Amino acid sequence: DTAVSQTPKYLVTQMGNDKSIKCEQNLGHDTMYWYKQDSKKFLKIMFSYNNKELIINETVPNRFSPKSPDKAHLNLHINSLELGDSAVYFCASSQDVGMNTEAFFGQGTRLTVV
Amino acid sequence: KQEVTQIPAALSVPEGENLVLNCSFTDSAIYNLQWFRQDPGKGLTSLLLIQSSQREQTSGRLNASLDKSSGRSTLYIAASQPGDSATYLCAVRNDDYKLSFGAGTTVTVRA
Repeated sequence: DTAVSQTPKYLVTQMGNDKSIKCEQNLGHDTMYWYKQDSKKFLKIMFSYNNKELIINETVPNRFSPKSPDKAHLNLHINSLELGDSAVYFCASSQDVGMNTEAFFGQGTRLTVV
Repeated sequence: KQEVTQIPAALSVPEGENLVLNCSFTDSAIYNLQWFRQDPGKGLTSLLLIQSSQREQTSGRLNASLDKSSGRSTLYIAASQPGDSATYLCAVRNDDYKLSFGAGTTVTVRA
């Protein structure tokens, strides 16, 4: 039973298109995140929601918009895709934002923009 | 801004040898530190979580130490096996709720 699941696993699309990546967690966690892993394998935080409230909004293009319909879901919508958006996007969740919280990650979505 | 560094970037050892992976961070005011494993093309698997008040954490052949004042953590993997080949990532959580990652150490265990 997958704890943090993302769909799709692979996404190939043309420049200029709009796409969404979905994430769901069945751990009962309050906090969810989106991370981007670039070609050098470096992971960087993009967004985080706690109890459906946006708490982290890093400096990313406003073409990226997260949406959290409920605590168990955090989706990422990307408008007007560019070549540089090609990366692996990871969703994660944690119980809360407290000191002892452990993060759990999904399997990633490999986005390729052509 | 928290910066996390992992050394070495890559490591190749014969099977059975112990592995020592290093992680350093610039801001010692951390909430906790987490070690992950990432297999090629896969997601991140949490290995160990060390809270800021702890000095070490153990799970099976894995042992992680934390020296918060000097901004260092070390992951020890005893009696390495080919199945331990992966990239190991260190991440620290500060009070800004973010997990800051190192670039990882890619480990190859030769049979």
